[in-house]
Amino acid sequence: DGGITQSPKYLFRKEGQNVTLSCEQNLNHDAMYWYRQDPGQGLRLIYYSQIVNDFQKGDIAEGYSVSREKKESFPLTVTSAQKNPTAFYLCASSIPPRDEQFFGPGTRLTVL
Amino acid sequence: EDQVTQSPEALRLQEGESSSLNCSYTVSGLRGLFWYRQDPGKGPEFLFTLYSAGEEKEKERLKATLTKKESFLHITAPKPEDSATYLCAVHRGSTLGRLYFGRGTQLTVWP
Repeated sequence: DGGITQSPKYLFRKEGQNVTLSCEQNLNHDAMYWYRQDPGQGLRLIYYSQIVNDFQKGDIAEGYSVSREKKESFPLTVTSAQKNPTAFYLCASSIPPRDEQFFGPGTRLTVL
Repeated sequence: EDQVTQSPEALRLQEGESSSLNCSYTVSGLRGLFWYRQDPGKGPEFLFTLYSAGEEKEKERLKATLTKKESFLHITAPKPEDSATYLCAVHRGSTLGRLYFGRGTQLTVWP
């Protein structure tokens, strides 16, 4: 079955540690996205990538980094510079010219 | 500033009581409007894409409509399993695929 997988489902991190969230898709989609969701807020875009080896900052990129070395993978690193990282993180993908994005199941990150 | 506003924030319906959710937008150059359903602790599930004013799409008890300033998600005779948060998002033609999301409407349908 084609789809988007995110791992782990739950992640706990101590303050000052970097952590990497995994996102893999086998839909052959060109574009991939990372969003952050906080209670009572809409999805906010962190980073997005339209093609391999290229990515752009979204609205809240500070404290995060990404890479896009393979079409199928778009990992997100939450660095110690992110002041309030506890949130639900969602990865999505799409294939131009269709604009609808398809989401993974999410990773809930908690900073202890 | 572009904005997507959903109302109401929360809606409680009795089973079978039809209603509508609203999504108003102020983006320029709308390329598409999207509706998603999100269950607690899960990723959003794609429902509909609307591209032009007057367009309508249906899926089971849901019907989405679009005008030049807003979209409605009509829910006919809802069931408890329709309980979820419904998200609206818009795509501007100038922004290379990125979507702008509203905060969602949390729908609860009780038996």
